[in-house]
Amino acid sequence: KAGVTQTPRYLIKTRGQQVTLSCSPISGHRSVSWYQQTPGQGLQFLFEYFSETQRNKGNFPGRFSGRQFSNSRSEMNVSTLELGDSALYLCASSSGGPGGELFFGEGSRLTVL
Amino acid sequence: GQSLEQPSEVTAVEGAIVQINCTYQTSGFYGLSWYQQHDGGAPTFLSYNALDGLEETGRFSSFLSRSDSYGYLLLQELQMKDSASYFCAVGSTGANNLFFGTGTRLTVIP
Repeated sequence: KAGVTQTPRYLIKTRGQQVTLSCSPISGHRSVSWYQQTPGQGLQFLFEYFSETQRNKGNFPGRFSGRQFSNSRSEMNVSTLELGDSALYLCASSSGGPGGELFFGEGSRLTVL
Repeated sequence: GQSLEQPSEVTAVEGAIVQINCTYQTSGFYGLSWYQQHDGGAPTFLSYNALDGLEETGRFSSFLSRSDSYGYLLLQELQMKDSASYFCAVGSTGANNLFFGTGTRLTVIP
């Protein structure tokens, strides 16, 4: 069974630009959540989508947005990039039920110059 | 608000036992999870405790005390490959939107 796939793996942007990251969850998983990982802050929850609906949202500014498609694939977008947005963006999928097991992708490493 | 506290670094000898503690403060509670992340890799799920007590999975065990807002991860028979970062995480409004601690970097030495 294929794991969680994230694209692109690496990207470099400049301040003010926008970026879109993609995530394909494990087949059959309907929940996709996004996390930002930075060395000092650990993993911080961005948002979770379940069946195309945003179910939960973390404490990030409105520049961070996401969506989920009918095939459960998800995208997140960051507009007006700032230097502090440089991070590893991780996508995780799960079946959506209780149990706490998230399956993470390898992440998209964003560098903002 | 939410907070999680875990040690930032732990060093242990190969073959030994190590315990990584995690204390949490959260308004809601949907369980305590543990994840392992090797450098450059994705976090991988280790265990989940929703109820008080000990959960054992091979060399790894995890414990939860909800009354004390405390849990720990116990790694036995340490191997070099266990050198990684370990994160505790709590779900406050669900099991799929987790609040993670800043991680404990475990170094296993020969």
